[in-house]
Amino acid sequence: EAGVVQSPRYKIIEKKQPVAFWCNPISGHNTLYWYRQNLGQGPELLIRYENEEAVDDSQLPKDRFSAERLKGVDSTLKIQPAELGDSAVYLCASSFSGGTITDTQYFGPGTRLTVL
Amino acid sequence: AQSVTQLDSHVSVSEGTPVLLRCNYSSSYSPSLFWYVQHPNKGLQLLLKYTSAATLVKGINGFEAEFKKSETSFHLTKPSAHMSDAAEYFCVVSSSPSGGSYIPTFGRGTSLIVHP
Repeated sequence: EAGVVQSPRYKIIEKKQPVAFWCNPISGHNTLYWYRQNLGQGPELLIRYENEEAVDDSQLPKDRFSAERLKGVDSTLKIQPAELGDSAVYLCASSFSGGTITDTQYFGPGTRLTVL
Repeated sequence: AQSVTQLDSHVSVSEGTPVLLRCNYSSSYSPSLFWYVQHPNKGLQLLLKYTSAATLVKGINGFEAEFKKSETSFHLTKPSAHMSDAAEYFCVVSSSPSGGSYIPTFGRGTSLIVHP
């Protein structure tokens, strides 16, 4: 069974440029998460989707970040414009029973973003 | 509110000796607890989880953890370290405020170093 797929794996951009990350979850997983992991820190939740609905986006900086999951399958996270402080690893995870006590998330390899 | 504290940023052991990675949590509600491992340039992998059943939880690769409610702890142990165990380990607490969705919070991580 294929795991969570993310692309690109690495991205280097200059500040003020836009950038987008793509995630394809495990087949049959209705819940999709985007996390940001700064160097030396644990992942921080940015947004959680149940099918195509964003049910928890309180930590998403909405002035420059946006996300979509149009058909309830794959998802795109965008930053426009990027700032130096956005350099981090962006992780995508999916699960079958999001938001429940037994929810187990499966993570992709992440996209490492460097903003110069 | 919930939080998780990993008490050691780095733990160094010799191959063949026991491993102890410490995690304390804070939650106003009955939580579920997880340990994930992250090898360099790899995605986070679930080691084990506690979801209100047996307090001693066995995971993959010989790891286990014990949920101690009185001490609000969920320490990860392994009897004998292998070189392949060298990685970053994350403790995660997830609880449901007011009976809503379970939201995960990650610790800052503990780097396990294994010496030959």
